[in-house]
Amino acid sequence: GAVVSQHPSRVICKSGTSVKIECRSLDFQATTMFWYRQFPKQSLMLMATSNEGSKATYEQGVEKDKFLINHASLTLSTLTVTSAHPEDSSFYICSASAGIGRNQPQHFGDGTRLSIL
Amino acid sequence: KNEVEQSPQNLTAQEGEFITINCSYSVGISALHWLQQHPGGGIVSLFMLSSGKKKHGRLIATINIQEKHSSLHITASHPRDSAVYICAVSGSRLTFGEGTQLTVNP
Repeated sequence: GAVVSQHPSRVICKSGTSVKIECRSLDFQATTMFWYRQFPKQSLMLMATSNEGSKATYEQGVEKDKFLINHASLTLSTLTVTSAHPEDSSFYICSASAGIGRNQPQHFGDGTRLSIL
Repeated sequence: KNEVEQSPQNLTAQEGEFITINCSYSVGISALHWLQQHPGGGIVSLFMLSSGKKKHGRLIATINIQEKHSSLHITASHPRDSAVYICAVSGSRLTFGEGTQLTVNP
């Protein structure tokens, strides 16, 4: 149980393109979803936290107009990288939690490797 | 100094060896997580613990709250255990260590 599906797994596109990444909880209702970014050989960096039906909370330094997050249902959250540029190339990974609070287990997707040419 | 420190950063072992990865943290936490990140990037949650010890198959995780330290042990290691193991702590948010790259050679 507790499967999180993330799609696509890899994207290669031209500079200026907007890219949408989907994160779905397949067998549970995800009250909270998290979006992370990971550079090579580095740890995960939290970008934003989204609760179903409300606006996402972005971490300091993360541009909310650049990284649009939508959590319209209890099973789906999307991250859209708008007008992507080479510096946005990274590994993006989502996780989902069935509850709200610090001690809820997080279930991770398989990540999306984004390459902007 | 990072809030979550892992050691070693890299670990190479022979199949069958007993492996220990350590995690120390400097902040108050409500729980500690051990995660496994596969070469493709996907992450699997191995353990979430707030006290004592947990065991799942060949994996054992322990935590000492007073010493702010946790260990992940792998018994009878196998090449398929090769991955990055990440320690993360739940405080006001989930804070991650930088990971330990484990390579188990046949």
